[in-house]
Amino acid sequence: DTEVTQTPKHLVMGMTNKKSLKCEQHMGHRAMYWYKQKAKKPPELMFVYSYEKLSINESVPSRFSPECPNSSLLNLHLHALQPEDSALYLCASSQDRYQNTGELFFGEGSRLTVL
Amino acid sequence: AQKVTQAQTEISVVEKEDVTLDCVYETRDTTYYLFWYKQPPSGELVFLIRRNSFDEQNEISGRYSWNFQKSTSSFNFTITASQVVDSAVYFCALSEALAQGGSEKLVFGKGTKLTVNP
Repeated sequence: DTEVTQTPKHLVMGMTNKKSLKCEQHMGHRAMYWYKQKAKKPPELMFVYSYEKLSINESVPSRFSPECPNSSLLNLHLHALQPEDSALYLCASSQDRYQNTGELFFGEGSRLTVL
Repeated sequence: AQKVTQAQTEISVVEKEDVTLDCVYETRDTTYYLFWYKQPPSGELVFLIRRNSFDEQNEISGRYSWNFQKSTSSFNFTITASQVVDSAVYFCALSEALAQGGSEKLVFGKGTKLTVNP
């Protein structure tokens, strides 16, 4: 079983809806990530949180709003999305890079469909 | 800029065949990390191996083996005696150290879809 838990596994929303994706890890990792994966494409980095602070935003549109309430939780708030935002959203975590093995632990993803 | 190329889009083999997945990378960094991840139909990315740029030793783990050659910027992955359960998309990735807070970014290749038929 993966040690990074994502909910919901599937989400269907309209373009005017507001929804959130949630990610949780209890491995004591201090870096957490959101990746977006379109069908038959590799994952692409969206956001990085390091020590609960947003450290990287890969020029993601503001209709995606990340939040890191504590070191174990990572949310992605969704508002006014477009159909092209339909994708698999993967959460990952890692230890501090200077201590770790370089391994990112991924969750199973939340599959989002925007109608 | 960093780049990972997996030239094989799809590979289909019959069970028990050996199969090699190719990975070629580009980076200007002297210190970097290379990874292989497996993505089964369930969706999660499963870590298989990490190799740092100073360690060119080949690695074997059960039926899996990896051949890292800096001279050709390649990090190939071989599955020996393939099984149906090996069917998945396999991604090769290169990590880039991020300046902020000790985290990192993975640059993925486009993936190779492996189908192992019974």
